[in-house]
Amino acid sequence: GQNIDQPTEMTATEGAIVQINCTYQTSGFNGLFWYQQHAGEAPTFLAYNVLDGLEEKGRFSSFLSRSKGYSYLLLKELQMKDSASYLCAVMDSNYQLIWGAGTKLIIKP
Amino acid sequence: IAGITQAPTSQILAAGRRMTLRCTQDMRHNAMYWYRQDLGLGLRLIHYSNTAGTTGKGEVPDGYSVSRANTDDFPLTLASAVPSQTSVYFCASSDSGGGRNEQFFGPGTRLTVL
Repeated sequence: GQNIDQPTEMTATEGAIVQINCTYQTSGFNGLFWYQQHAGEAPTFLAYNVLDGLEEKGRFSSFLSRSKGYSYLLLKELQMKDSASYLCAVMDSNYQLIWGAGTKLIIKP
Repeated sequence: IAGITQAPTSQILAAGRRMTLRCTQDMRHNAMYWYRQDLGLGLRLIHYSNTAGTTGKGEVPDGYSVSRANTDDFPLTLASAVPSQTSVYFCASSDSGGGRNEQFFGPGTRLTVL
């Protein structure tokens, strides 16, 4: 079957750095997405990786290793507004997104 | 309208009733999707449409139907609601069905079936 694994919850301190990991086993691979979802709101797009390596966008970076079935989202200079769930999703061979359950990130002052 | 809208925002429904969740986008996106989101589970795809006039089944299609008569609208119908369909439903759209095209989500409909 297809599977996306991410930690259920993480806690970090304002101003610090946090890395959220995602491992996947899917039938085919056509890219990996990261979304942010604040409580009670819709998911919003953060990052996309299809080739191995690091993609940087401001305070957020995303890394992919296709051979290891692994990705991470790195958040720097954490702010209170970064408290949210972070969803990892892989596009499979049918071009459908398979979603992880999400990682709830709690930021403490 | 800017983006995707969904209606209603929330609904409490008696089991056995028929219900249609509405979704409209104004971005002229070709592809549209319906997901349900349950606590502890990832978003699960119910149905999708890669272009107007076509639809496909996702991971959890049973008990749901969709239609795509035009580009903008993608309603989801529960023919006879059951309590296990209590969930938050998100509609999404993307420019096309694959590749780097990120999906844009509507605000969601919170449905409770009693």
